[in-house]
Amino acid sequence: GQSLEQPSEVTAVEGAIVQINCTYQTSGFYGLSWYQQHDGGAPTFLSYNALDGLEETGRFSSFLSRSDSYGYLLLQELQMKDSASYFCAVRDGGGGFKTIFGAGTRLFVKA
Amino acid sequence: NAGVTQTPKFRVLKTGQSMTLLCAQDMNHEYMYWYRQDPGMGLRLIHYSVGEGTTAKGEVPDGYNVSRLKKQNFLLGLESAAPSQTSVYFCASSTLGDSYEQYFGPGTRLTVT
Repeated sequence: GQSLEQPSEVTAVEGAIVQINCTYQTSGFYGLSWYQQHDGGAPTFLSYNALDGLEETGRFSSFLSRSDSYGYLLLQELQMKDSASYFCAVRDGGGGFKTIFGAGTRLFVKA
Repeated sequence: NAGVTQTPKFRVLKTGQSMTLLCAQDMNHEYMYWYRQDPGMGLRLIHYSVGEGTTAKGEVPDGYNVSRLKKQNFLLGLESAAPSQTSVYFCASSTLGDSYEQYFGPGTRLTVT
């Protein structure tokens, strides 16, 4: 079957670094994405990895290891506004057009 | 650009009633998707479309139908609503770019009593 696993909650202090892990098991794989969703809002795209390695976008970085079926999102210099849910998502089968989302990790940033 | 818009924003239905949710995008995207999100859960793909006139089933298609008669619109229909379909529904679109970044609409909160 298809599944993505990520921690349900993470708590960190403002200014710190936090890593959110994601492991996946899918029938096909085209890439791993990360989305952010604030309460009551819509998901917004953060990053995408198709190949192994680290992608950096400002304070956010994302890593992928295809051989380990594993990726993570790294958030640096945490700010209160980073408190949100973070979802990993895999482009799966169907020619890569189907996207399967994890259940999400709720990040709480404390002052 | 309005991006992705959804109509309506809120709706309450009685069991057995039908309704159509409308999604529109003005970014000329090829791909469009319908998801549902339940409390504490991720997004589950209902149906998707890779182009005008085409649709395909996602993870949880039962009880829903879709149509993509025009490239910019993607309609989600509930023929006979059930309480289990109480959820927040998100529409998204994406292009053929490398990242397949999906742009989401603001969501429709549907309650079936």
